[in-house]
Amino acid sequence: AQSVTQPDIHITVSEGASLELRCNYSYGATPYLFWYVQSPGQGLQLLLKYFSGDTLVQGINGFEAEFQRSQSSFNLRKPSVHWSDAAEYFCDVRQGNKLVFGAGTILRVKS
Amino acid sequence: DSGVTQTPKHLITATGQRVTLRCSPRSGDLSVYWYQQSLDQGLQFLIQYYNGEERAKGNILERFSAQQFPDLHSELNLSSLELGDSALYFCASSAQGNIAGANVLTFGAGSRLTVL
Repeated sequence: AQSVTQPDIHITVSEGASLELRCNYSYGATPYLFWYVQSPGQGLQLLLKYFSGDTLVQGINGFEAEFQRSQSSFNLRKPSVHWSDAAEYFCDVRQGNKLVFGAGTILRVKS
Repeated sequence: DSGVTQTPKHLITATGQRVTLRCSPRSGDLSVYWYQQSLDQGLQFLIQYYNGEERAKGNILERFSAQQFPDLHSELNLSSLELGDSALYFCASSAQGNIAGANVLTFGAGSRLTVL
């Protein structure tokens, strides 16, 4: 069965440090890939998406993600985290008519 | 403001009751999606409507139903409520009708339902 895994439920990083949030999937072919962010009390906001082409995609607020076919991964990165990045992050993986969200990773930022 | 409007923001009710959640999609979007978010189940897709017709169904209970009206707003009806129905209910909208593919979803801020 198709699945999406965000292995880290919680991650804590210091402000200014780099960040990587992991997303792995088990799909037969290259799916469409998205990352969303959910701030407390808010809905999900699209950070970035990958459909094809360059495997490194840029998103809003300094986020980027890299599609690695061999790893079946689409990890989200940011070189320097800001306190306002504290939120929950969801990976969204789609193939055919299936849309599956990961369980989410809660990011805490310490000053 | 995402352009997707959900009401009410908060709702507290008792077991056995019925509630209606409302969603107005972003201007120009024809599809409406309903999701349930709870601590133990994560983000679960419930149902999608496109231009008034049901397009896809997910893990929606028989006690739940939805519809999309001619003005494209949608309502999610939850009946015979149980404690386990307490959750955040999100509505999302998109321009396209296909549930997956390259379709970008725009989410509302959610309706938090508490069943006591």
